[in-house]
Amino acid sequence: GAGVSQSPSNKVTEKGKDVELRCDPISGHTALYWYRQSLGQGLEFLIYFQGNSAPDKSGLPSDRFSAERTGGSVSTLTIQRTQQEDSAVYLCASSSKGPQETQYFGPGTRLLVL
Amino acid sequence: AQSVTQLGSHVSVSEGALVLLRCNYSSSVPPYLFWYVQYPNQGLQLLLKYTSAATLVKGINGFEAEFKKSETSFHLTKPSAHMSDAAEYFCAVSDSRTGNQFYFGTGTSLTVIP
Repeated sequence: GAGVSQSPSNKVTEKGKDVELRCDPISGHTALYWYRQSLGQGLEFLIYFQGNSAPDKSGLPSDRFSAERTGGSVSTLTIQRTQQEDSAVYLCASSSKGPQETQYFGPGTRLLVL
Repeated sequence: AQSVTQLGSHVSVSEGALVLLRCNYSSSVPPYLFWYVQYPNQGLQLLLKYTSAATLVKGINGFEAEFKKSETSFHLTKPSAHMSDAAEYFCAVSDSRTGNQFYFGTGTSLTVIP
Protein backbone atom coordinates (compact mmCIF):
# COMPACT_ATOMS: atom_id res chain seq x y z
CA GLY A 1 0.00 0.00 0.00
CA ALA A 2 0.92 3.66 -0.08
CA GLY A 3 1.71 3.86 3.61
CA VAL A 4 1.50 2.04 6.90
CA SER A 5 -2.07 1.52 8.01
CA GLN A 6 -3.37 0.56 11.42
CA SER A 7 -6.74 -0.56 12.65
CA PRO A 8 -8.79 0.27 14.50
CA SER A 9 -7.96 3.95 14.74
CA ASN A 10 -9.66 4.12 18.13
CA LYS A 11 -10.55 1.40 20.59
CA VAL A 12 -12.41 1.71 23.86
CA THR A 13 -12.53 -1.39 26.00
CA GLU A 14 -13.34 -2.46 29.52
CA LYS A 15 -10.68 -3.46 31.99
CA GLY A 16 -10.00 -7.18 31.75
CA LYS A 17 -10.98 -7.57 28.10
CA ASP A 18 -8.58 -8.65 25.38
CA VAL A 19 -7.80 -6.39 22.40
CA GLU A 20 -6.14 -6.93 19.05
CA LEU A 21 -4.41 -4.16 17.16
CA ARG A 22 -3.51 -4.58 13.52
CA CYS A 23 -0.72 -3.15 11.41
CA ASP A 24 -0.36 -3.31 7.64
CA PRO A 25 3.18 -2.26 6.69
CA ILE A 26 4.30 -0.79 3.41
CA SER A 27 4.41 -3.51 0.80
CA GLY A 28 7.86 -5.07 0.57
CA HIS A 29 9.11 -3.76 3.89
CA THR A 30 10.74 -6.58 5.82
CA ALA A 31 11.15 -4.77 9.13
CA LEU A 32 8.19 -3.90 11.35
CA TYR A 33 8.14 -2.12 14.73
CA TRP A 34 5.56 -1.60 17.46
CA TYR A 35 5.74 1.35 19.89
CA ARG A 36 3.59 2.73 22.65
CA GLN A 37 3.16 6.47 23.18
CA SER A 38 1.61 7.48 26.46
CA LEU A 39 0.54 11.00 27.37
CA GLY A 40 3.60 12.97 28.40
CA GLN A 41 5.92 10.08 27.60
CA GLY A 42 8.18 9.39 24.68
CA LEU A 43 7.85 6.45 22.39
CA GLU A 44 8.36 3.18 24.18
CA PHE A 45 9.78 0.46 21.95
CA LEU A 46 7.82 -2.77 22.22
CA ILE A 47 9.02 -5.20 19.58
CA TYR A 48 10.79 -5.48 16.23
CA PHE A 49 10.13 -8.04 13.50
CA GLN A 50 12.51 -8.93 10.71
CA GLY A 51 10.33 -10.96 8.42
CA ASN A 52 8.16 -13.09 10.67
CA SER A 53 10.75 -13.33 13.43
CA ALA A 54 11.11 -11.17 16.52
CA PRO A 55 14.70 -11.61 17.74
CA ASP A 56 14.09 -9.79 21.01
CA LYS A 57 10.80 -9.62 22.86
CA SER A 58 12.15 -8.05 26.03
CA GLY A 59 10.55 -4.70 25.22
CA LEU A 60 7.05 -6.04 25.74
CA PRO A 61 5.80 -4.59 29.06
CA SER A 62 4.38 -7.80 30.46
CA ASP A 63 3.31 -11.31 29.52
CA ARG A 64 -0.14 -9.90 28.77
CA PHE A 65 1.36 -8.44 25.60
CA SER A 66 2.12 -10.57 22.56
CA ALA A 67 2.73 -9.90 18.90
CA GLU A 68 2.94 -11.91 15.77
CA ARG A 69 3.59 -11.35 12.12
CA THR A 70 2.50 -13.65 9.36
CA GLY A 71 3.56 -13.88 5.73
CA GLY A 72 6.15 -11.20 6.33
CA SER A 73 3.40 -8.61 6.17
CA VAL A 74 0.52 -7.98 8.56
CA SER A 75 1.25 -7.86 12.27
CA THR A 76 -1.07 -8.14 15.24
CA LEU A 77 -0.40 -6.83 18.74
CA THR A 78 -2.57 -8.51 21.34
CA ILE A 79 -3.12 -7.26 24.85
CA GLN A 80 -4.82 -9.71 27.17
CA ARG A 81 -6.72 -8.76 30.31
CA THR A 82 -6.29 -5.06 29.62
CA GLN A 83 -5.52 -2.69 32.46
CA GLN A 84 -6.10 1.06 32.67
CA GLU A 85 -2.35 1.70 32.42
CA ASP A 86 -2.43 0.12 28.96
CA SER A 87 -4.27 3.20 27.68
CA ALA A 88 -2.01 4.83 25.10
CA VAL A 89 -1.48 5.32 21.41
CA TYR A 90 0.05 2.24 19.83
CA LEU A 91 2.18 3.05 16.81
CA CYS A 92 3.42 0.73 14.13
CA ALA A 93 6.27 1.48 11.74
CA SER A 94 7.96 -0.37 8.91
CA SER A 95 11.26 -0.02 7.10
CA SER A 96 12.60 -1.56 3.95
CA LYS A 97 15.35 -3.65 5.51
CA GLY A 98 16.29 -3.00 9.09
CA PRO A 99 17.09 -0.47 11.79
CA GLN A 100 19.45 1.62 9.68
CA GLU A 101 16.65 2.46 7.29
CA THR A 102 13.99 5.12 7.62
CA GLN A 103 10.96 4.00 9.56
CA TYR A 104 7.58 4.96 8.18
CA PHE A 105 4.96 5.33 10.85
CA GLY A 106 1.29 4.55 10.77
CA PRO A 107 -1.34 6.87 12.25
CA GLY A 108 -1.61 4.79 15.41
CA THR A 109 -4.39 3.13 17.37
CA ARG A 110 -5.64 5.10 20.33
CA LEU A 111 -6.57 2.63 23.07
CA LEU A 112 -8.65 3.62 26.07
CA VAL A 113 -9.22 1.11 28.83
CA LEU A 114 -12.07 2.02 31.14
CA ALA B 1 22.20 -1.42 25.86
CA GLN B 2 21.24 1.90 24.40
CA SER B 3 19.41 4.93 25.74
CA VAL B 4 18.66 8.47 24.70
CA THR B 5 18.36 11.65 26.75
CA GLN B 6 16.77 14.78 25.39
CA LEU B 7 17.52 17.81 27.51
CA GLY B 8 14.58 20.16 27.70
CA SER B 9 11.08 18.87 27.19
CA HIS B 10 10.01 22.31 25.97
CA VAL B 11 12.04 24.79 23.94
CA SER B 12 10.85 28.19 22.76
CA VAL B 13 12.63 30.28 20.14
CA SER B 14 11.77 33.44 18.27
CA GLU B 15 11.07 33.24 14.57
CA GLY B 16 14.39 33.62 12.75
CA ALA B 17 16.47 32.54 15.73
CA LEU B 18 18.73 29.51 15.99
CA VAL B 19 17.09 26.23 16.89
CA LEU B 20 19.12 23.87 19.07
CA LEU B 21 17.59 20.66 20.38
CA ARG B 22 19.87 18.51 22.47
CA CYS B 23 20.27 14.77 22.36
CA ASN B 24 22.76 12.61 24.19
CA TYR B 25 22.93 8.89 23.75
CA SER B 26 24.41 5.91 25.48
CA SER B 27 25.50 2.93 23.47
CA SER B 28 28.02 0.17 23.99
CA VAL B 29 28.38 -0.33 20.24
CA PRO B 30 28.46 2.08 17.30
CA PRO B 31 24.99 3.53 17.12
CA TYR B 32 22.57 4.50 14.44
CA LEU B 33 21.04 7.87 15.39
CA PHE B 34 17.87 9.49 14.16
CA TRP B 35 15.75 12.58 14.58
CA TYR B 36 12.03 12.25 13.96
CA VAL B 37 9.44 15.02 13.97
CA GLN B 38 5.76 14.89 14.80
CA TYR B 39 3.74 17.86 13.58
CA PRO B 40 0.41 18.55 15.28
CA ASN B 41 -2.16 15.92 14.37
CA GLN B 42 0.26 14.15 12.06
CA GLY B 43 2.31 10.98 12.25
CA LEU B 44 6.01 10.74 12.91
CA GLN B 45 8.38 11.35 10.03
CA LEU B 46 12.13 11.16 9.65
CA LEU B 47 14.12 14.40 9.72
CA LEU B 48 17.58 12.91 9.36
CA LYS B 49 19.75 9.98 10.35
CA TYR B 50 23.34 9.03 11.06
CA THR B 51 24.48 5.55 10.05
CA SER B 52 28.28 5.80 10.26
CA ALA B 53 28.91 7.89 7.17
CA ALA B 54 29.50 11.65 7.41
CA THR B 55 29.29 12.96 10.95
CA LEU B 56 27.41 16.10 9.86
CA VAL B 57 24.06 15.03 8.59
CA LYS B 58 21.66 17.24 6.68
CA GLY B 59 17.97 16.59 6.77
CA ILE B 60 14.75 18.02 5.49
CA ASN B 61 13.47 21.55 6.08
CA GLY B 62 16.94 22.98 6.73
CA PHE B 63 17.72 20.88 9.81
CA GLU B 64 21.06 19.27 10.43
CA ALA B 65 22.75 17.31 13.20
CA GLU B 66 26.31 16.46 14.05
CA PHE B 67 27.43 13.16 15.51
CA LYS B 68 30.09 13.78 18.17
CA LYS B 69 31.38 10.51 19.51
CA SER B 70 33.56 12.14 22.18
CA GLU B 71 30.52 13.92 23.60
CA THR B 72 28.05 11.11 22.83
CA SER B 73 25.80 13.77 21.35
CA PHE B 74 23.65 14.21 18.28
CA HIS B 75 22.18 17.70 18.67
CA LEU B 76 19.71 19.02 16.11
CA THR B 77 20.11 22.53 14.76
CA LYS B 78 18.53 24.91 12.30
CA PRO B 79 19.98 28.38 11.68
CA SER B 80 16.68 30.21 11.42
CA ALA B 81 13.42 29.04 12.95
CA HIS B 82 10.20 29.21 11.00
CA MET B 83 6.69 29.15 12.39
CA SER B 84 6.09 25.85 10.61
CA ASP B 85 8.87 24.22 12.67
CA ALA B 86 6.62 24.10 15.73
CA ALA B 87 6.34 20.40 16.50
CA GLU B 88 7.49 17.58 18.77
CA TYR B 89 10.99 16.33 18.02
CA PHE B 90 12.28 12.91 19.00
CA CYS B 91 15.84 11.64 19.03
CA ALA B 92 16.32 7.90 18.65
CA VAL B 93 19.15 5.37 18.79
CA SER B 94 19.53 1.87 17.48
CA ASP B 95 22.24 -0.71 17.90
CA SER B 96 24.05 -0.96 14.58
CA ARG B 97 25.18 -4.47 15.36
CA THR B 98 21.89 -6.23 16.06
CA GLY B 99 19.24 -3.56 15.65
CA ASN B 100 16.95 -5.62 17.80
CA GLN B 101 15.82 -2.67 19.89
CA PHE B 102 15.13 0.93 19.14
CA TYR B 103 15.08 3.68 21.74
CA PHE B 104 13.38 7.05 21.46
CA GLY B 105 13.90 9.99 23.76
CA THR B 106 10.99 11.55 25.60
CA GLY B 107 10.73 14.30 23.02
CA THR B 108 11.19 18.05 22.89
CA SER B 109 8.27 20.30 22.08
CA LEU B 110 9.42 23.27 20.00
CA THR B 111 7.44 26.50 20.11
CA VAL B 112 8.25 29.28 17.66
CA ILE B 113 7.32 32.77 18.80
CA PRO B 114 6.42 35.28 16.09
